[in-house]
Amino acid sequence: GAVVSQHPSRVICKSGTSVKIECRSLDFQATTMFWYRQFPKQSLMLMATSNEGSKATYEQGVEKDKFLINHASLTLSTLTVTSAHPEDSSFYICSAGSGGSLRETQYFGPGTRLLVL
Amino acid sequence: SQQGEEDPQALSIQEGENATMNCSYKTSINNLQWYRQNSGRGLVHLILIRSNEREKHSGRLRVTLDTSKKSSSLLITASRAADTASYFCATPLTGGGNKLTFGTGTQLKVEL
Repeated sequence: GAVVSQHPSRVICKSGTSVKIECRSLDFQATTMFWYRQFPKQSLMLMATSNEGSKATYEQGVEKDKFLINHASLTLSTLTVTSAHPEDSSFYICSAGSGGSLRETQYFGPGTRLLVL
Repeated sequence: SQQGEEDPQALSIQEGENATMNCSYKTSINNLQWYRQNSGRGLVHLILIRSNEREKHSGRLRVTLDTSKKSSSLLITASRAADTASYFCATPLTGGGNKLTFGTGTQLKVEL
C-alpha cells in the first residue's frame, strides 16, 4: 500500500514555457502532500506543502507565483512551473503522509526530471 | 538552516562488509527517520526511531539515536550490491505539519 505516482517522469521544455507535474496517491487519501526539489548529488529541499481544499504554504525563498500548486482532490496535487528557465532544471519529487500509526513518515513519488533548454 | 549533516558524504565498501552512516541534527526532535534513494528515483522509508528509543532494528538495518549528542547512526550489516544508494536522515521541521528536513546524505557504493 501507500503508493505515490508522478507524471511525467521526465520532461524537456523550452525556456519560457510552463510545465505541469502531477502527484497522485494511488491507494490512500492524502490531505497533505509535499513538493521537493533536488539538485544533482544534493539533498532534498522542501518547496511547499500542498493542502487539499486550501492554499499551499511555501517555504522561505520559494516563489509562489513561479511554482503554482493545486490540490484539488484527496489523491491529486499538481505543481506547475511557470515560465520555466534553465535554472529551474531539477529533479522534482512529491510525497504524501501515510497517516495511521506511522503518520510521521512520508511516501514518495518516483520523481520528475525537468530539463529546461 | 535546520538541515542535518551526514557523514561520510560517500562510502565505498565490499559486499559482505558492514556500512555505517552518521547523521547529526540541530534542534530537539521527537523522531528521526532514515530514507534510501536509488539513483534518479524517489525516496523509500526505511525506519523511524522515536526520541525515547535508543536503538531499533529492521532486518539488516540497525539505527541508534543519541538525543544528548543530537546524532543518529544507520548500520547496514552484510551489505549487498543492491544496497548501493544514497541514504538520508530526516527530522521534523520546526513549525510542525509533518514537514521533514533532510540531511545532506551519504552515497553508499557496495562493490562485488
